[in-house]
Amino acid sequence: GDSVTQTEGLVTLTKGLPVMLNCTYQTTYSPFLFWYVQHLNEAPKLLLKSSTDNKRTEHQGFYATLHKSSSSFHLQKSSVQLSDSALYFCALSTSGGNYKPTFGKGTSLVVHP
Amino acid sequence: EAAVTQSPRSKVAVTGGKVTLSCHQTNNHDYMYWYRQDTGHGLRLIHYSYVADSTEKGDIPDGYKASRPSQENFSLILELASLSQTAVYFCASGTGVNYAEQFFGPGTRLTVL
Repeated sequence: GDSVTQTEGLVTLTKGLPVMLNCTYQTTYSPFLFWYVQHLNEAPKLLLKSSTDNKRTEHQGFYATLHKSSSSFHLQKSSVQLSDSALYFCALSTSGGNYKPTFGKGTSLVVHP
Repeated sequence: EAAVTQSPRSKVAVTGGKVTLSCHQTNNHDYMYWYRQDTGHGLRLIHYSYVADSTEKGDIPDGYKASRPSQENFSLILELASLSQTAVYFCASGTGVNYAEQFFGPGTRLTVL
């Protein structure tokens, strides 16, 4: 079946440093990849999405590129802010037609002053 | 404005009691989902539906039932609430092949005593 792997459970950084949160996936169908951000006591919100191979997508200073050759969709930011502290989820839907999304377990990003 | 709303926003229930969580969406989306989130952890899919009057089991359906009487409404029912079902419950809607592009409700915080 489909799967999404986020290798880091917790990432702790100092403000102003770059960050990369890893996301890899497995599917035999055409993939659609998403990143969600969830701040404390809030609902998850869509941050980025892509289904186009090797095309960078950007939003709110975050960016990611879908690489089908390596089945990856890593989330990056060049300079993290205190407000970026949140839980980040990678998610997958496919052309397989089962309507059941696959979410990664999430990565908690903590940014220190 | 398109939205997903949930009621109640918080609830305290007694062990063995019946709990019904309601979700309403105005996104005109075909698919609706119920997730559970335990503190600091990821989203786990309980039940989902891709058409009215039909529901599907997700990854953790035991102890939960779901009902989709219309495209707009999706309920989660705990017939016999247990302590282990204390969590935050999110409803979401999605559509098309991008069904993992989901719009989440604000969540319901359920405490079972």
